[in-house]
Amino acid sequence: EVQLQESGPGLVKPSQSLSLTCSVTGYSITSNYWGWIRKFPGNKMEWMGYISYSGSTSYNPSLKSRISITRDTSKNQFFLQLNSVTTEDTATYYCARDYSSWGQGVMVTVSS
Amino acid sequence: DVVMTQTPVSLPVSLGGQASISCRSSQSLVHSNGNTYLHWYLQKPGQSPQLLIYRVSNRFSGVPDRFSGSGSGTDFTLKISRVEPEDLGDYYCLQSTHFPYTFGAGTKLELK
Repeated sequence: EVQLQESGPGLVKPSQSLSLTCSVTGYSITSNYWGWIRKFPGNKMEWMGYISYSGSTSYNPSLKSRISITRDTSKNQFFLQLNSVTTEDTATYYCARDYSSWGQGVMVTVSS
Repeated sequence: DVVMTQTPVSLPVSLGGQASISCRSSQSLVHSNGNTYLHWYLQKPGQSPQLLIYRVSNRFSGVPDRFSGSGSGTDFTLKISRVEPEDLGDYYCLQSTHFPYTFGAGTKLELK
């Protein structure tokens, strides 16, 4: 059974970068697609982007050039980096395998 | 982006009763490969979204047959029969036909 676990700082200062790790067990990230999703206060959800089994990426245009998703296949982990964060990036961040299996989520607050 | 209009926002139900949630998309969700990538999730308080129905009408592993999905093109419905206490929470639809993938705004299923 695949399991995903997000980790990273819960507090980030404005203008800095947000970096999160998704650790995957029970399934290789060299198969399927692996995404990052966030849920804002007020419950709106946004699919941020994904990295494929081959390492190719697709990003939500709303995030413009601020986002990067990378991976380390030797550790079966993939990563989210979001640059130049503002308070509007405060959200719970989830990693997911495709649309099927999600991690528990990590709450990230952007505040000085 | 594809806009997903999900209704109602709130749905009071009685235990043992039936619930119906609608998602309408701003364009057809039929992929060029012929599949329709419309999925339904339930998020309970403190938990991550759990997949209930994938590709319109397929129940995910372990999902009771009280949950059913239907629809085509731009109009989709999730039905819950014989509502049980563990069914209460926030329901979301997600389309993953067109990138960026987009969610409905959610429906809170609560006791009448």
